[in-house]
Amino acid sequence: DAKTTQPTSMDCAEGRAANLPCNHSTISGNEYVYWYRQIHSQGPQYIIHGLKNNETNEMASLIITEDRKSSTLILPHATLRDTAVYYCIVRVQYGGSQGNLIFGKGTKLSVKP
Amino acid sequence: NAGVTQTPKFRVLKTGQSMTLLCAQDMNHEYMYWYRQDPGMGLRLIHYSVGEGTTAKGEVPDGYNVSRLKKQNFLLGLESAAPSQTSVYFCASSFPSGGAKTDTQYFGPGTRLTVL
Repeated sequence: DAKTTQPTSMDCAEGRAANLPCNHSTISGNEYVYWYRQIHSQGPQYIIHGLKNNETNEMASLIITEDRKSSTLILPHATLRDTAVYYCIVRVQYGGSQGNLIFGKGTKLSVKP
Repeated sequence: NAGVTQTPKFRVLKTGQSMTLLCAQDMNHEYMYWYRQDPGMGLRLIHYSVGEGTTAKGEVPDGYNVSRLKKQNFLLGLESAAPSQTSVYFCASSFPSGGAKTDTQYFGPGTRLTVL
């Protein structure tokens, strides 16, 4: 699975959009970009994933560059409850050992009032 | 649906003791996983299962055993606990990918284990 690079930490004002970047310059054609987050002391929570098109769900939007070497997770109106560590993971989409989620250190997002 | 549940939530063991962690899911998922998370670190895969009666090793399997006797349950055993196994243990489950399904993993709340 391709390696990802994320900033260690970011701050965001409550109510504003939070834009979390991720670089994955060695991504291959069949690898998807997944985002998970982990709120303190809880299990990781799935947010969104995509292959090459931009994706949106009730939680967030995922913007993937045309060359697929980087992506941005957007939380449109951040709240204090969005304070968490956000993980960008690149992997082929199937289960079993190949489907192992390789978590890096992620980005610690702090949403401030 | 309860999703993924884990039992117990907390446990303290002495070195050499044994215990079993239970993971249960009610989403009819084929795949189940056990991860451990150490302070300031990402999750690391211990063992996983792609179906009832099958298990396989992950990244850090030493000192652990697993069993998947029923589709909805995945057990993680420590036969002789060591202080290095102090960690937070997370279970996850997913469908295999194919068609419209993705193998998005859904996690339980974790078990905090301390080995003295």
